[in-house]
Amino acid sequence: AQSVSQHNHHVILSEAASLELGCNYSYGGTVNLFWYVQYPGQHLQLLLKYFSGDPLVKGIKGFEAEFIKSKFSFNLRKPSVQWSDTAEYFCAVMPYNTDKLIFGTGTRLQVFP
Amino acid sequence: DAGVTQSPTHLIKTRGQQVTLRCSPKSGHDTVSWYQQALGQGPQFIFQYYEEEERQRGNFPDRFSGHQFPNYSSELNVNALLLGDSALYLCASSSRDRVETQYFGPGTRLLVL
Repeated sequence: AQSVSQHNHHVILSEAASLELGCNYSYGGTVNLFWYVQYPGQHLQLLLKYFSGDPLVKGIKGFEAEFIKSKFSFNLRKPSVQWSDTAEYFCAVMPYNTDKLIFGTGTRLQVFP
Repeated sequence: DAGVTQSPTHLIKTRGQQVTLRCSPKSGHDTVSWYQQALGQGPQFIFQYYEEEERQRGNFPDRFSGHQFPNYSSELNVNALLLGDSALYLCASSSRDRVETQYFGPGTRLLVL
């Protein structure tokens, strides 16, 4: 079955620390890849997406993610987090020729000043 | 430009009852997808509507049904509610030619007692 794994359930960082959130998926075919963010009290927002081309994609607010096909991974990174990055982060895949997003269980990030 | 809107924001029902949730897509979008997000989990795909027909369906029982209207708005109906149906129900809209980019609404939180 298709699935997405986010191994970090809860991450606590201080401001200016570097961030890397892991995401692995199980699907043998072509996929589109996404990271969504849910700030406290707000709805899910698209952070970045990968469809094809350069495996290093840049999103909003200084986030980036790298697609490593051989590892079925799409890890999210940010060199220096801010308190305002406190949120829940969801990795998602969309198998090619389907329109459904398959989400991971999410990673809760807390950033302390 | 209005984003995706959902109503109601919160709902309390008892087991065995039926519920209808509503979604208006973002302006210019014609495709609506519904997701269920249980507490501590990522959203799970329920189904997708386009041209007033269900196009794809996730692993949900027939108790979950939907409808799309000519103005592209959509309803999610759940019959014979179970305690396990308690969750946040998310609507996402997209345009058919870019269905991979989905915009989420704020959700309806359903509590089944």
